[in-house]
Amino acid sequence: NAGVMQNPRHLVRRRGQEARLRCSPMKGHSHVYWYRQLPEEGLKFMVYLQKENIIDESGMPKERFSAEFPKEGPSILRIQQVVRGDSAAYFCASSVGRAGPDTQYFGPGTRLTVL
Amino acid sequence: AQSVTQLDSQVPVFEEAPVELRCNYSSSVSVYLFWYVQYPNQGLQLLLKYLSGSTLVKGINGFEAEFNKSQTSFHLRKPSVHISDTAEYFCAVRETGANNLFFGTGTRLTVIP
Repeated sequence: NAGVMQNPRHLVRRRGQEARLRCSPMKGHSHVYWYRQLPEEGLKFMVYLQKENIIDESGMPKERFSAEFPKEGPSILRIQQVVRGDSAAYFCASSVGRAGPDTQYFGPGTRLTVL
Repeated sequence: AQSVTQLDSQVPVFEEAPVELRCNYSSSVSVYLFWYVQYPNQGLQLLLKYLSGSTLVKGINGFEAEFNKSQTSFHLRKPSVHISDTAEYFCAVRETGANNLFFGTGTRLTVIP
């Protein structure tokens, strides 16, 4: 059973460009979470999605960031007009269900560098 | 509001020595508790979790953790570390009914030969 897959693993963008990060959950998982890890910090929750629905986006910056999880295909985290402060590792996690005990399994992350 | 405190940002320890990584949390509701390990340039791997029942939880790679409700702690221990245990360790909580995990800032364990 393949784990959570993320691509690209490394992404370099210049200020003002767009960044698209992809996440394919584990087989059988329909719940996807995105987290951001700034240098020397822990992971911070951004958004929680199910297929075609954003359930909780309380951790998403109000501007430039958006996420989707379409019926077919991977979940996408999109950052428009990137700035240097967006440089971070972005991790996706998936779980079978929403209930609290369900373990979230993490992907390898996408490391975004904004020049 | 919930919070997770990992008191030690860095812990150096000699190979085959025991280690304890500390984690304290605060929450107004019941929580589930997790320890994750992150090897360099990799994602997070679940070490162990406490959901309910026995307060002593055993995980992978010889790690264990003990939930102490009165002290709101969930310290991670290993009786004898290996070089391969060098990594970043994150404690996380998930409040019952919440969607997301809330992470501590991490403890960098360095095992010295």
